[in-house]
Amino acid sequence: QVQLVQSGAEVKKPGASVKVSCKASGYTFTGYYLHWVRQAPGQGLEWMGWINPDSGGTNYAQKFQGRVTMTRDTSISTAYMELNRLRSDDTAVYYCARDSMDVWGQGTTVTVSS
Amino acid sequence: EIVLTQSPGTLSLSPGERATLSCRASQSVDSSYVAWFQQKPGQAPRLLIYAASSRATGIPDRFSGTGSGTDFTLTISRLEPEDFAVYYCQQYGSPLAFGPGTKVDIK
Repeated sequence: QVQLVQSGAEVKKPGASVKVSCKASGYTFTGYYLHWVRQAPGQGLEWMGWINPDSGGTNYAQKFQGRVTMTRDTSISTAYMELNRLRSDDTAVYYCARDSMDVWGQGTTVTVSS
Repeated sequence: EIVLTQSPGTLSLSPGERATLSCRASQSVDSSYVAWFQQKPGQAPRLLIYAASSRATGIPDRFSGTGSGTDFTLTISRLEPEDFAVYYCQQYGSPLAFGPGTKVDIK
């Protein structure tokens, strides 16, 4: 079946970087854009950007430009989201979601704490 | 940048009642680019409605979406126990954005 499986929870110190992976299966990885969305504790959904797995092209939300990098490895049908210069308010669950957001990963909890 | 607002913030209803959730955009949105999601605690969001009025695969017909321009509505005709959750509208323009959500809880 179509699914997105994300990497496990991370705990990072302020100023560090985190890289979350999202492995696709059950469909043609390069046929659908992938979005990254995050949700801080008790808060709503925040779109971070998308990657075109076919071309590698990206589109980042202005808030994250300069701090986020989305990449992919088509040989293993996996997309990555790296967030740099982490702050405490980056503590959130990070999701990947396919194109029209009909399929979501299970979420990866990233905790930023000194 | 289009900003979405949702009302009410919380809707307290009983099972079997009708729920009407509103989403308003700060400027006109192509209805092809409006979606609704349901999220339960500890779970990823679930796509309910896309293109303002089309139900996603496997979504029961008690869920319906309407609207155009700046005003969009999600209606749940008869609330089932599993429908108590948070609902988000989304516009798929550039940049993509979500509304702040409406919580539907049990009265």
